[in-house]
Amino acid sequence: GENVEQHPSTLSVQEGDSAVIKCTYSDSASNYFPWYKQELGKRPQLIIDIRSNVGEKKDQRIAVTLNKTAKHFSLHITETQPEDSAVYFCAASGKGGSYIPTFGRGTSLIVHP
Amino acid sequence: DAGVIQSPRHEVTEMGQEVTLRCKPISGHNSLFWYRQTMMRGLELLIYFNNNVPIDDSGMPEDRFSAKMPNASFSTLKIQPSEPRDSAVYFCASSLAATYEQYFGPGTRLTVT
Repeated sequence: GENVEQHPSTLSVQEGDSAVIKCTYSDSASNYFPWYKQELGKRPQLIIDIRSNVGEKKDQRIAVTLNKTAKHFSLHITETQPEDSAVYFCAASGKGGSYIPTFGRGTSLIVHP
Repeated sequence: DAGVIQSPRHEVTEMGQEVTLRCKPISGHNSLFWYRQTMMRGLELLIYFNNNVPIDDSGMPEDRFSAKMPNASFSTLKIQPSEPRDSAVYFCASSLAATYEQYFGPGTRLTVT
């Protein structure tokens, strides 16, 4: 089955810096890659996603890049703010038309004011 | 729309007791997922329903766990008998089968003493 590795497990940055979280996946048939943000005690919420027919997608301060050849995708957050502090999860799905995602273990992002 | 609704939000029970978690998906969504989240294991998929039919229950840890979806607007996850190692946050999520985006409920924090 699909295996998703996520790094780093913890990321600490100063407010205003950029943050990058990286994920790799094992199954080349996966074609949908969402990112979820989970604040402490809250539910995971979708913040951005990318499909395999594009290489990059941006939404204000966040962007996701996908390299299908290398089977990795990354989340980029620019001009980080304290409210960006949360756990971020990547996932991969779409193999064989399956909607079942495989999640990474999560990255705890801490933005220091 | 109220989003995915889960009840109870918190459950504390004694080992050996039966626990029933409930979920109401977003109206119109025809896929429903049950997840378990712990620090040790991260976010694990337990079972996936499509059009009220269980499609993949390979993540259900043991026979003590069972899930049902009697209609499009209601699902239950039952643990009988419960054990301390079942303590976790259980999330329900729903999506449209034609898309991949999942919407999570607020979760049920289960503590088994």
